[in-house]
Amino acid sequence: EAGVTQFPSHSVIEKGQTVTLRCDPISGHDNLYWYRRVMGKEIKFLLHFVKESKQDESGMPNNRFLAERTGGTYSTLKVQPAELEDSGVYFCATGPQGDTQYFGPGTRLTVL
Amino acid sequence: QKEVEQNSGPLSVPEGAIASLNCTYSDRGSQSFFWYRQYSGKSPELIMSIYSNGDKEDGRFTAQLNKASQYVSLLIRDSQPSDSATYLCAVNYDYKLSFGAGTTVTVRA
Repeated sequence: EAGVTQFPSHSVIEKGQTVTLRCDPISGHDNLYWYRRVMGKEIKFLLHFVKESKQDESGMPNNRFLAERTGGTYSTLKVQPAELEDSGVYFCATGPQGDTQYFGPGTRLTVL
Repeated sequence: QKEVEQNSGPLSVPEGAIASLNCTYSDRGSQSFFWYRQYSGKSPELIMSIYSNGDKEDGRFTAQLNKASQYVSLLIRDSQPSDSATYLCAVNYDYKLSFGAGTTVTVRA
């Protein structure tokens, strides 16, 4: 069974540019989560989808971040415009019914 | 105040010894508890979950939960060099995981 995949693995952009991160869940996993780890800090929750619906987006830092999950399959997280403090590793996690979450490899975002 | 605290590392143990990792959490409504292992540059890998008070064993790993004390621990028995990694304690409330900062374990051959 394929695991959670994320693309790209690394992204380096200039401040003010736009970046879109993608997450492909494990097949059949209705729950999809985004987390972020900024340097020196713990992994922090951003938001939670159940299928295509946003269940909880309380962790989204501001309105420069937009997450979508069209059709309840893959998800994208767009940052527009990117700021220096957005640098970090963005993890996607997915899970079947229940609270078990399996993490993807992450996307390392560097904003210069 | 941090929501999830882990014992500071790094923790160095000789091969074959027991590694003991501790975690405390602040939210009494927390519903489930997880231990993830993360190798450098890799994704967190789920190794244990525990939902009720007491011990749960899986191979060389034992998780212990004490909700009254808001305490979770992980024991790694017969530590192997391949166990060298950062171990993350994660606490679930309403499907949101709160993570500790992690404890780095090094197993000396």
